[in-house]
Amino acid sequence: DAKTTQPNSMESNEEEPVHLPCNHSTISGTDYIHWYRQLPSQGPEYVIHGLTSNVNNRMASLAIAEDRKSSTLILHRATLRDAAVYYCILRPPRDTGGFKTIFGAGTRLFVKA
Amino acid sequence: NAGVTQTPKFRVLKTGQSMTLLCAQDMNHEYMYWYRQDPGMGLRLIHYSVGEGTTAKGEVPDGYNVSRLKKQNFLLGLESAAPSQTSVYFCASSFGAEQFFGPGTRLTVL
Repeated sequence: DAKTTQPNSMESNEEEPVHLPCNHSTISGTDYIHWYRQLPSQGPEYVIHGLTSNVNNRMASLAIAEDRKSSTLILHRATLRDAAVYYCILRPPRDTGGFKTIFGAGTRLFVKA
Repeated sequence: NAGVTQTPKFRVLKTGQSMTLLCAQDMNHEYMYWYRQDPGMGLRLIHYSVGEGTTAKGEVPDGYNVSRLKKQNFLLGLESAAPSQTSVYFCASSFGAEQFFGPGTRLTVL
């Protein structure tokens, strides 16, 4: 299974942008890149996902490198509520085992007021 | 919509006891999943289901059994609990790409 590498932790100031990196050099051509976050004492929460093109939604933006070997989750203005563990996950399409979502250790984001 | 709910929220078992964790979803999702999360680690997939009456093994299925008799429910059973099964258990459901997670069940096996 393709693996991802993320920094253990990052720190940000409130109301500043945050760029959370993820390396996935062994990604296959059909793997989707998903991001989830987990607030303290809660279940994970979906953030965003993409395949090749950059993606935007109300929570964040996902920038995918042209060679797809890395991606960056962008929180445009960090708030205290964004303090969480962020997981970068690769998922193959469902017809090739896409149910077996592999969560790594993630990046713990600290947000300072 | 309640989303994904899990019962119970907390449980303490003695080694060798059995129990069943219940997951329910009211979103009419086809796919359901059971994960475990150990301290400081990410989630690991135990079993999953692609529809009523079907189940499949995930990454760490040993020591667990599951059943999906109704579309909205996914049960996780521990037949003979062991201390290594002390963990937080999360259930999730999905229709498309996004998985919706429950609040978790914290299980301690003494």
